[in-house]
Amino acid sequence: AQTVTQSQPEMSVQEAETVTLSCTYDTSESNYYLFWYKQPPSRQMILVIRQEAYKQQNATENRFSVNFQKAAKSFSLKISDSQLGDTAMYFCAFTKALGGSQGNLIFGKGTKLSVKP
Amino acid sequence: DAGITQSPRHKVTETGTPVTLRCHQTENHRYMYWYRQDPGHGLRLIHYSYGVKDTDKGEVSDGYSVSRSKTEDFLLTLESATSSQTSVYFCAISERPDRGAAFFGQGTRLTVV
Repeated sequence: AQTVTQSQPEMSVQEAETVTLSCTYDTSESNYYLFWYKQPPSRQMILVIRQEAYKQQNATENRFSVNFQKAAKSFSLKISDSQLGDTAMYFCAFTKALGGSQGNLIFGKGTKLSVKP
Repeated sequence: DAGITQSPRHKVTETGTPVTLRCHQTENHRYMYWYRQDPGHGLRLIHYSYGVKDTDKGEVSDGYSVSRSKTEDFLLTLESATSSQTSVYFCAISERPDRGAAFFGQGTRLTVV
């Protein structure tokens, strides 16, 4: 069975600085997808970034980028130039790819990020 | 934003009563999911659907049933609500699960007293 672990329950960062959120996972699959979702106080789950396991290049979306280390089963999220609106819960998630995948997501327990002015 | 609407957004119900939550999508996506979110657990899959009348269980399906009679609607039913089912429930949809990524509704906060 797949598991996703986020070891940092809470983090804080000053506005305009950079912060990195950690995620590790365990799987025997060779092909899969990893995601970071953001959940602001509004409760809406927002997809931040997606990484395909067979792509070595790290995904980037504006100020958000990942460091994907497949051998180490590590998938960290870096937020550059942090903004007050980045304050949220961040969830790391995993899903198998191809081979009859139904898209079921396995989530970590989340990291609560606070951006301070 | 993906067209997903959950109803109701908030509900308080008594132990032992049946409850149905509705998820409606306008994206014509084949796959739909119900997750629950609890403190310290992240989100966990309850049931999912891969087509009209095609459903399957997730990680925490005990005490829940689902139905999907139309592409756009996915219903989650608690046959006899218990306090352990107090949670926030999210519906999600996906067009291409083999490529990952699902898009979520706004969530329903259910309190069982």
